[in-house]
Amino acid sequence: AQKITQTQPGMFVQEKEAVTLDCTYDTSDPSYGLFWYKQPSSGEMIFLIYQGSYDQQNATEGRYSLNFQKARKSANLVISASQLGDSAMYFCAMREGLGGTYKYIFGTGTRLKVLA
Amino acid sequence: AAGVIQSPRHLIKEKRETATLKCYPIPRHDTVYWYQQGPGQDPQFLISFYEKMQSDKGSIPDRFSAQQFSDYHSELNMSSLELGDSALYFCASSLRTSGGAETQYFGPGTRLLVL
Repeated sequence: AQKITQTQPGMFVQEKEAVTLDCTYDTSDPSYGLFWYKQPSSGEMIFLIYQGSYDQQNATEGRYSLNFQKARKSANLVISASQLGDSAMYFCAMREGLGGTYKYIFGTGTRLKVLA
Repeated sequence: AAGVIQSPRHLIKEKRETATLKCYPIPRHDTVYWYQQGPGQDPQFLISFYEKMQSDKGSIPDRFSAQQFSDYHSELNMSSLELGDSALYFCASSLRTSGGAETQYFGPGTRLLVL
């Protein structure tokens, strides 16, 4: 079974609008972390935002916020005021594991295109 | 701030050749991860090291091996290369924390093309 599911292979958004990229996860570990990474066409993997499973508040980093709904096992990324430079592939990832052995699992990604 | 360094950035090899990819983690980071990302695919975890010891193993072929050295840099050795090994290879590093807020930071990747 997929541990990280990103159901939107591709999305469009108008410049300056907000967009939500979906991510659901599956784990039985009580302690886990959720991440979003951006991968532009140049290929590098850029860390955007992190949410810990015990964090009470949703994570925010500038224009990025993570809508964490633990009961629904979802960790959607919200990008506010989209910019042309936001056009990229976005990966949701989960870190699970205890006792010093961690696994990082990635979703299949969502390609976002910001329109002028 | 210093980032993860990978070398080489691009590599072209022929089938059955060997390749060595190098990774220099962010200073003071104690954990290194290797990923393989095929064209249009999500990154697949290969192997990780914590404090110079192998920590976890993912979908790494037997033809590949890796190690982490005393200075914390890591090398991924790939032998008997196949066409299907053509991919972007990422190294990521992190600092283990007891609270679990560990975040891994990726290097720019090594793009390997096997002809």
